[in-house]
Amino acid sequence: GAVVSQHPSWVICKSGTSVKIECRSLDFQATTMFWYRQFPKQSLMLMATSNEGSKATYEQGVEKDKFLINHASLTLSTLTVTSAHPEDSSFYICSAPGAEGSGANVLTFGAGSRLTVL
Amino acid sequence: GENVEQHPSTLSVQEGDSAVIKCTYSDSASNYFPWYKQELGKGPQLIIDIRSNVGEKKDQRIAVTLNKTAKHFSLHITETQPEDSAVYFCAAFSGGFKTIFGAGTRLFVKA
Repeated sequence: GAVVSQHPSWVICKSGTSVKIECRSLDFQATTMFWYRQFPKQSLMLMATSNEGSKATYEQGVEKDKFLINHASLTLSTLTVTSAHPEDSSFYICSAPGAEGSGANVLTFGAGSRLTVL
Repeated sequence: GENVEQHPSTLSVQEGDSAVIKCTYSDSASNYFPWYKQELGKGPQLIIDIRSNVGEKKDQRIAVTLNKTAKHFSLHITETQPEDSAVYFCAAFSGGFKTIFGAGTRLFVKA
């Protein structure tokens, strides 16, 4: 089946540094990918929609300059948390729709990346 | 926009019993309703889905029902096993690539 690979699975960084998370569709092309943030015991909060070859679309309240998204190829989207602070600590998850054999609305999720900012 | 409500937030059952999770949605244009299982520290995994032209779908111990008139859909897990313990999310898709998720149900299956 479709696989979305997300790395790193966990990362610890110092306050003020930047962290990059990668999301790759391994066996299908994804012109669109989604980035979510999940707090403990809560649902997935959509942060932004990553579009290949164009600017990402951010949800209301999500800082574009804080969470930089790049979708440079049909199989790779990256989320960079810039100047990270402890309040950015969270579980970040990506997903991609439309794997071969599925509908355009069927999402495949990555395994998630746990970010801890000290 | 679409709003999805999910109940209960926590569900505890004895191994072998059935578990039912219910969701309601607000947008009558929604036409696709997936269910995801999320284990601790992992990303959500699609376990079953249903489209608006179908009222019920079953896959072994898991079934989903959809009532379009009432705008609600449910997940049914029969003969529960400890490995079914996880967080389950319902979701609704109404076009434009946006999937709206419920708040999640934490299922505990006691051995």
